[in-house]
Amino acid sequence: QQKVQQSPESLIVPEGAMTSLNCTFSDSASQYFAWYRQHSGKAPKALMSIFSNGEKEEGRFTIHLNKASLHFSLHIRDSQPSDSALYLCAVSPTGFASALTFGSGTKVIVLP
Amino acid sequence: EAAVTQSPRNKVAVTGGKVTLSCNQTNNHNNMYWYRQDTGHGLRLIHYSYGAGSTEKGDIPDGYKASRPSQENFSLILELATPSQTSVYFCASGESGVSNERLFFGHGTKLSVL
Repeated sequence: QQKVQQSPESLIVPEGAMTSLNCTFSDSASQYFAWYRQHSGKAPKALMSIFSNGEKEEGRFTIHLNKASLHFSLHIRDSQPSDSALYLCAVSPTGFASALTFGSGTKVIVLP
Repeated sequence: EAAVTQSPRNKVAVTGGKVTLSCNQTNNHNNMYWYRQDTGHGLRLIHYSYGAGSTEKGDIPDGYKASRPSQENFSLILELATPSQTSVYFCASGESGVSNERLFFGHGTKLSVL
């Protein structure tokens, strides 16, 4: 069974700083990797996803994927107080977002 | 934006009672999912479905049944509720075969089993 672990468990960053979140997975055959964000009391919402090794940037958000290291990360540039949330990484064995396995989350607080 | 609606928003049940959580999506997605969220465990997959009439076991199916009577509706059934099933339950829908596929989640159902 796929194991997905996130680090750190929680993080406090000042406004304007870079936030970096990590996710490791156990199944080397995994093909789909995603980050979701969940504000307190709300539904999780997809942020971005990646299929192949390398880097993908969308606005202030960047994903890095290294399949050989079983690791991917999310970096948030110029962090804002509105970025304060629980960040969940997710992995799927197929190339689609089917039957995603989620990590336990990293709670991020951005201080103004 | 894609819409997933869950009912009820909150539910208090007694141990041994039957609980049904309902989910409706207007996205015309083939795939639907039930997850539970507990502190320290993230989202854990209970059951999922690839279309009307189909259900599949997820990672933690014990104590739960699922039903997909139509494309739009997906229910989670606790035949004999236990306090360990106290949690927040999220339903989600998604579509396979789309390069930018993502899951769309409902707002969640907070279930307390006393």
